[in-house]
Amino acid sequence: KAGVTQTPRYLIKTRGQQVTLSCSPISGHRSVSWYQQTPGQGLQFLFEYFSETQRNKGNFPGRFSGRQFSNSRSEMNVSTLELGDSALYLCASSLFTGKDEQFFGPGTRLTVL
Amino acid sequence: QQQVKQSPQSLIVQKGGISIINCAYENTAFDYFPWYQQFPGKGPALLIAIRPDVSEKKEGRFTISFNKSAKQFSLHIMDSQPGDSATYFCAASLPLGDKIIFGKGTRLHILP
Repeated sequence: KAGVTQTPRYLIKTRGQQVTLSCSPISGHRSVSWYQQTPGQGLQFLFEYFSETQRNKGNFPGRFSGRQFSNSRSEMNVSTLELGDSALYLCASSLFTGKDEQFFGPGTRLTVL
Repeated sequence: QQQVKQSPQSLIVQKGGISIINCAYENTAFDYFPWYQQFPGKGPALLIAIRPDVSEKKEGRFTISFNKSAKQFSLHIMDSQPGDSATYFCAASLPLGDKIIFGKGTRLHILP
């Protein structure tokens, strides 16, 4: 069974730009969660999607948004990038809820210059 | 109340020694406590998990000890090996919650 895939693996953007990250969950998994990982803050929950609906949201500004498609694939978008958005963005898939065992992808390393 | 506090931030252990990572929480409603292991360049992976109705769970060299009254839980790695060098995250979630709250991580280095 293929694992969680994330594209692209690396991104370099400049302040003010926007970015879209993609996540393909494990086949059969319907829940996709997104996390931001930084050295200082660790893993911070962004949001969780299930059946194309955002079911849970962390404490991030509205510049961070996401969506899920009917095939469970998910995208997250960050608009008006700031230097502080530089981080590893991780996607995790699970069968039904964000509380089930989560299987993480390798992440997308975003650098904002 | 929703936080999980993890210590130490980093840990160096000799090969063959015992590595111990501690976590504390405030919300007594948490009912699921997983530990994740992350190697450089990879996403975290579930290592072992425990529910508060048991005080200890062992899987191979990895043991979770859970102290409900103290609201603490810890990961013990016995006979630590260089291959165990990674970042470890403790976490917790609520019964009706759909998200897992992570500690800030412990970077473990096992000396060969």
